[in-house]
Amino acid sequence: EVQVLESGGVLVQPGGSLRLSCAVSGFTFSSHTMNWVRQAPGKGLEWVSGISGSGDRTYYADSVKGRFTISRDNSKNTLYVEMNSLRAEDTAVYYCAKGISTSSTFDHWGQGTLVTVSS
Amino acid sequence: DIQLTQSPSSLSASVGDRVTITCRASQSISIHLNWYQQKPGKAPELLIHAASNLQSGLPSRFSGSGSGTDFTLTISSLQPEDFATYYCQQSYTTPTFGQGTKVEIK
Repeated sequence: EVQVLESGGVLVQPGGSLRLSCAVSGFTFSSHTMNWVRQAPGKGLEWVSGISGSGDRTYYADSVKGRFTISRDNSKNTLYVEMNSLRAEDTAVYYCAKGISTSSTFDHWGQGTLVTVSS
Repeated sequence: DIQLTQSPSSLSASVGDRVTITCRASQSISIHLNWYQQKPGKAPELLIHAASNLQSGLPSRFSGSGSGTDFTLTISSLQPEDFATYYCQQSYTTPTFGQGTKVEIK
């Protein structure tokens, strides 16, 4: 059974930094792209970032480019996102989502972790 | 980025109704279109991938169609557990989502 579990969401001040983690099990982690998708309170879904199975290719939404860094540790079956220079508009539930093979179709999602950026 | 426009933004329907949601892409995306269902407080769930492929284990009352720029999600007979928000998403280029369609009880 595929399991996806995010952690690390907290209240942080504007301009601050945070790292989210996503631990997975139940599939061959290194064979799948992994992604972060966020949802601001009461709003729709926004893709944030993705990374290839080997970790050699990374992709970012314009809204976070230069501030967020996605990475993965295939030996630990864990996905990360380092978030810097956080803004109020980054406040959202952040979901970790598994891609079907190398695609950006998301077939398994975690329960999400809430990041609140506020003073 | 490719824009996806869903219509309607919300709808009210009764159990047993046939419901259709459309998604229009700002440029051709072939069949690289997926549909997700999200219930309040829960993560999205993949329903349909590659425009018309029902995700394994899901009920056959859900179906998808379309190619190019125009796509449709159909629920043939709405059930109580289907009241939720539905999102389309393109996987042709950098992923983008539609704004969502909320299906409410009439």
